[in-house]
Amino acid sequence: EVQLVESGGGLVQPGRSLKLSCAASGFTFSNYGMAWVCQAPTKGLEWVASISTGGGNTYYRDSVKGRFTISRDNAKNTLYLQMDSLRSEDTATYYCARHKNSGYFDYWGQGVMVTVSS
Amino acid sequence: ETVLTQSPTTTAASPGEKVTITCRASSSVSYMHWYQQKSGASPKLWIYDTSKLASGVPNRFSGSGSGTSYSLIISSIETEDAATYYCQQKSSDPPMTFGGGTKLELK
Repeated sequence: EVQLVESGGGLVQPGRSLKLSCAASGFTFSNYGMAWVCQAPTKGLEWVASISTGGGNTYYRDSVKGRFTISRDNAKNTLYLQMDSLRSEDTATYYCARHKNSGYFDYWGQGVMVTVSS
Repeated sequence: ETVLTQSPTTTAASPGEKVTITCRASSSVSYMHWYQQKSGASPKLWIYDTSKLASGVPNRFSGSGSGTSYSLIISSIETEDAATYYCQQKSSDPPMTFGGGTKLELK
């Protein structure tokens, strides 16, 4: 059974950092691209970042470029999102999701809440 | 960036009725994907590659479209279908984008 379990969320002050983790199991992690998708309270879904199977290619939405870094450790079956210079508008639930070739997300984690507030 | 516009944003239907949700793209896309999200839960893949049903999705659901116009259709809605549905595309270059969502309620 495919499982994606996020952790690392919480309350953080503006300008500070947070690192999210996503532990994957039930599939060969290194064979799949992965992504982070967020959802602000009562809002819709927004793609945040994606990473290729080996980690050599990364992609970001404009609003997080230069502040967020997606990475992965295939030996540990874990996806990461380093979030720096956090802003109030980054407040959201962050989902880890598995990528398929034509660009859809076939499995999602349960989500982790990030609240940026003083 | 390809913007996806869903319509309607909310809709209500009675059990047994047919429901169509439309997703229009600001530029042509190759495929459209759809997700179902119920309150307090993670999104679930519902339809992928425009018309393929994800595992476990009832066959009263279907997807169609091409270019800039795509649809999710429920032939005969049931109470368990109440949820918010999102379309999503991936063009050749990032970013991939989601529609704003359509909230489907049962009367």
